Amino acid sequence: AQTVTQSQPEMSVQEAETVTLSCTYDTSESDYYLFWYKQPPSRQMILVIRQEAYKQQNATENRFSVNFQKAAKSFSLKISDSQLGDAAMYFCSNKGGSNYKLTFGKGTLLTVNP
Amino acid sequence: DAGITQSPRYKITETGRQVTLMCHQTWSHSYMFWYRQDLGHGLRLIYYSAAADITDKGEVPDGYVVSRSKTENFPLTLESATRSQTSVYFCASYDAQLLGSPLHFGNGTRLTVT
Repeated sequence: AQTVTQSQPEMSVQEAETVTLSCTYDTSESDYYLFWYKQPPSRQMILVIRQEAYKQQNATENRFSVNFQKAAKSFSLKISDSQLGDAAMYFCSNKGGSNYKLTFGKGTLLTVNP
Repeated sequence: DAGITQSPRYKITETGRQVTLMCHQTWSHSYMFWYRQDLGHGLRLIYYSAAADITDKGEVPDGYVVSRSKTENFPLTLESATRSQTSVYFCASYDAQLLGSPLHFGNGTRLTVT
């Protein structure tokens, strides 16, 4: 069984500063994939970043990067130079290589203060 | 336009009524999913389908029925709606031929059961 835990229900950050959202997971799969999704007030689910577990290098997408610690089963999201448009609910998720179902954490609501 | 479309976007119904939420995708993805989103629970899997005429239960299937006679459509039916089924429902699809492909989501249906 897969589980995903986001221990921070809410976070806030000042505009232009950096914030890190935490995520831990558990899986019995040796091959798996991790994702961060963003959900703004529009309700749309937007893929932010993806990490393959077999890759040691941390994924980056512009101002978004992850700190993937495989042994610790940790997958945190760092947002640099935060912008007002980054305000949203963020979901961490895990998909096993042999399991097509995506398991989600409960989400972290990020507020960006001007 | 290619993508995944859910309808209706909003629905209000009464307890005991049957409700069907529609989902249509244009990519011919084999896998399709229904999730419900509730505050404090994140996204929870209701049902999923690996192909036309193949469906299986997720984490919270009770009170829901699905069918998939065509690859592109995956409707979700609440046979006798209850207030506990008030939620936001997301349909999603996935390209199983691309290992590690993320889920692509519809824009969700907000269902209120009175």
